[in-house]
Order: sequence, then C-alpha cells, then structure tokens
Amino acid sequence: QQQVKQSPQSLIVQKGGISIINCAYENTAFDYFPWYQQFPGKGPALLIAIRPDVSEKKEGRFTISFNKSAKQFSLHIMDSQPGDSATYFCAASRGYGGSQGNLIFGKGTKLSVKP
Amino acid sequence: NAGVTQTPKFQVLKTGQSMTLQCAQDMNHEYMSWYRQDPGMGLRLIHYSVGAGITDQGEVPNGYNVSRSTTEDFPLRLLSAAPSQTSVYFCASSYGANSNQPQHFGDGTRLSIL
Repeated sequence: QQQVKQSPQSLIVQKGGISIINCAYENTAFDYFPWYQQFPGKGPALLIAIRPDVSEKKEGRFTISFNKSAKQFSLHIMDSQPGDSATYFCAASRGYGGSQGNLIFGKGTKLSVKP
Repeated sequence: NAGVTQTPKFQVLKTGQSMTLQCAQDMNHEYMSWYRQDPGMGLRLIHYSVGAGITDQGEVPNGYNVSRSTTEDFPLRLLSAAPSQTSVYFCASSYGANSNQPQHFGDGTRLSIL
C-alpha cells in the first residue's frame, strides 16, 4: 500500500515559470512532511519541510502548501531556473523514536526547466 | 567534514555472489538507514538502526543483512546477489529517529547483478 502518492511523474517548465508538485498521504499519524531534491549521480538532500500545525512554509523561491483536511501537500517553485532541474521527492514520517522516524517517500518527480 | 561516505560507487556482481556495501558517517549521528532506489519506485527503506547494536527491518529487507557495531559504520550485506537487487543503494544518517532531524544521504552505490 503506497502511503505517499506523488504527481506528476515528470514536469517540464519554462524558465521563470512556476513548478508545482503534489503529494497526498493516507496515514493521519504523519506529522512531518519534507521535500528532498536529488541531482543526477547524487544522493537526495533536504530542501524544505513542514509540520501540520502550519498551512504554508516559504524558503526563498520554494514554498510548501499543506492541507491537513485533504491530506495533501505541495511544493511550489517560483521563478523556476534551469539549475532547479532535478528529481524531487516528497516524504512523510510520524512521531519520535524507533521506526516512527522512518521516512516514507513518494515515487519522485523529474523536473526539467527549459531556458 | 566528509558527511556520509559510501563505497564502492559502482559494482558489478554475478548472481549468487555476496558483497558488503560500506557506509560511514563522521557526524556522530545515532540514526542510520539504507534505501534502494529503482526507476519509478522512489526510495524504499531496507534496514535502519537507531544506535550502535540496534538494527531493524524496513519495507524491503529480504536478501539483505546489516549490523551496527559502531556509531560511525553501518554496512549492508547482500547474502546471495540476485538480478532483482540491481539498484542504486543510498545510506543516510541523522541525529536521531526523530522526525525533526533532516537525513543526510551519501552519493550512492550503483550495483548491477548479472
């Protein structure tokens, strides 16, 4: 059972445009929702994260929007740049300690930003 | 500060062979984990450890073995390699099994089983 569903699988955006990636989760016990960015040949790196007590978090050009009632969260990349071309993963985890901290990842979105 | 170091970067094995993927971190992190990444499948947790001497299974543990004798090292063993284990393997670490802590990933081991 896939606990975190991510869409789209791939996304092509023009330079300067807005990139939007969506994720939906099933387990209401999840309380931490990070996004990871992965460049080819590298490991994923934390980009931005949110907890369910806020509806939005912004860091530079990157914004997470969170809808607790719909069990959905999304990543918005404003003014997308060719250097943003990468694979993006949403993830979720619940609580503290032991297996609670394990991240459940979505299947990823490959973003290409065209110059 | 090297972060999370994985070796080797590439490996080709024959079916039935065994090998150990190495993972070391120099950040004194308690929590370490192994993921495999397959096209269209995202990252799936194989095994994890919340501290030295403690390991547990993740989502896809079959065919893999781990141990955690020190805080720094968390090797992943393939007992008898199968073509289905062809994948990119990532090791990650964080300060604790705590959802507040970002996981730091190595750059992966690309493994092909013939």
